Amino acid sequence: SQQGEEDPQALSIQEGENATMNCSYKTSINNLQWYRQNSGRGLVHLILIRSNEREKHSGRLRVTLDTSKKSSSLLITASRAADTASYFCATDAGAGNMLTFGGGTRLMVKP
Amino acid sequence: ETGVTQTPRHLVMGMTNKKSLKCEQHLGHNAMYWYKQSAKKPLELMFVYSLEERVENNSVPSRFSPECPNSSHLFLHLHTLQPEDSALYLCASSPDRDYGYTFGSGTRLTVV
Repeated sequence: SQQGEEDPQALSIQEGENATMNCSYKTSINNLQWYRQNSGRGLVHLILIRSNEREKHSGRLRVTLDTSKKSSSLLITASRAADTASYFCATDAGAGNMLTFGGGTRLMVKP
Repeated sequence: ETGVTQTPRHLVMGMTNKKSLKCEQHLGHNAMYWYKQSAKKPLELMFVYSLEERVENNSVPSRFSPECPNSSHLFLHLHTLQPEDSALYLCASSPDRDYGYTFGSGTRLTVV
């Protein structure tokens, strides 16, 4: 069964704007991760947030985690055309280091 | 290059063919994974190997057969596939728990 579900499925913004993507999941987790995928390529790991953490930053990325609501958000500030990609959340529910991925958010940043 | 190399990048095969996908990592990671990515579907975990032992076989049809001869190499042997098996097959590795995966660029498989 699908653990993570991203919202929205697609997002189109202008360069310089902020982009926010949300992820909801169903079971308790050890950690939640965000990945980026350019069209037809492999996924690139962006950030990992553990279940006892509430917020993490990496460059222009900010991730929050609310375990009471079983949700996470990824914020990309000051977006660039090069940020155009699909973004996936993935959860590690504790059964070994096996990740379950959501369906992704397709982000388009217009120059 | 991510450190995880997949070959071939593209593969077209008939339903009666036998082919193999290869994945190689020299990152010193302990776990390796095969995922399938079909259009409009989330990534599906197929197989997991940890320290060369298979620890997960996620109800994958027997026409897919994994092999992990050592901690650096992972294969996916394919035989008598169906057109619905056409997809992007992604290999990934990770050092341990609480670490992100490193993915290869994938093999785009088309079954005709």
